[in-house]
Formats: sequence, C-alpha cells, structure tokens
Amino acid sequence: NAGVTQTPKFQVLKTGQSMTLQCAQDMNHNSMYWYRQDPGMGLRLIYYSASEGTTDKGEVPNGYNVSRLNKREFSLRLESAAPSQTSVYFCASSEENTGHQPQHFGDGTRLSIL
Amino acid sequence: SQKIEQNSEALNIQEGKTATLTCNYTNYSPAYLQWYRQDPGRGPVFLLLIRENEKEKRKERLKVTFDTTLKQSLFHITASQPADSATYLCAPEQTGANNLFFGTGTRLTVIP
Repeated sequence: NAGVTQTPKFQVLKTGQSMTLQCAQDMNHNSMYWYRQDPGMGLRLIYYSASEGTTDKGEVPNGYNVSRLNKREFSLRLESAAPSQTSVYFCASSEENTGHQPQHFGDGTRLSIL
Repeated sequence: SQKIEQNSEALNIQEGKTATLTCNYTNYSPAYLQWYRQDPGRGPVFLLLIRENEKEKRKERLKVTFDTTLKQSLFHITASQPADSATYLCAPEQTGANNLFFGTGTRLTVIP
C-alpha cells in the first residue's frame, strides 16, 4: 500500500542549481498535483495534471515546470533554484480533478536553497 | 479574492472533551468542503467531505457542519484523545476551478 511516493525526502541546493522532484502513485488515479507548504501560508497549488497528457498552472507556478511522464508519475522541476523556493513540497493524487474527490498526499520533500 | 480563515493557530483541550475547529471562507461559495489531518513531518490525510446541500456529516467521533449562509464549516471531535493531536486543515473547492483551496490549519493538542 505505497499510495503516493515522493523522492527525495530531503535536499539542500545552492542558489542557481536545478533539481527535479519525483512523484509516483499506485492508485490508478487520473489527476495529480504539486503543492508547496510554508509556515503561515498553508498549502498552495503550484501545478496540476487533471489527466495524463495535460498540465495546468496553479496559484504559484513561477519558477517551476512539471512533466506528467505517464499516468503514475508527475515530476516537478526547479530550473534555477532561489532561496524563496525553500519549502516543503507535497505531491497528491485523486481519482478525478473535482472538488468532491479526496486527495491522497505523499509525505513531502523538504527542500532548502542556500 | 477568495479567502479562508481557520480559528486560532492552536487549540488545547482536555482529554474527553469535544474539540470544535472553525473554518470561515469569504468571497465565494464552494460546492464542496473537505477536512484533512496532518501530523508533523507527514502529508495531509483526508478525513471528511461535505456538500453544500448537506448540513452535517458524521464519521465515528468526527462531525462536520456546513453553513452556506454563514460561510462557515465547523469540525467537531467528540470524546477527544491524545492521539487526536494534530493539525487540521479545511479545504473548500475553489470557485471556477475543480481544485481545493487549503486553509493554514489549526493545531490541536489534547491534554491527558
């Protein structure tokens, strides 16, 4: 019962470095999401993929790119990391992209940009 | 713009009492509202969903209400236990989108 798996769990980068965060789900869900969580800000949606082959911007997409590699995998890329991107990143999935479907979350990637 | 407020960042209650957490939203009318639990170092876990035409939803010791006139949802945990200590997030559906809009959460501590 893996659910949503995120790698790596922790990462430290220097400003300007690039990195890809990986996410995979084994629940055959159609929709996947990337959020960031900062103290006092709550979870904010970066990008989402309503179905395989589609991606859309969320609330805070600047500085990020995503790839829906297949139905199982959805990656988040930081091309040139900035200290403002220090955060905890969560990947989630749901059966469909609707407000009445619960989302299933991974345990996050803790990313520090120095 | 859409806004969500969850009452006080932290709430402490005695074991056995009922915990009540509040979620207020402004400037929109979500058709659905979800509640999640998040433990330190873990991702959120779905608890309950309530629809705009439902006044109340129950699951074991949990109860959620949804008042579309007051633009408020209340989340109750009855007979609270130390294991209920966690941060609870409310997540109304975003207007004009199928995505959720998460509140900042209320950290609940149940004192033995």
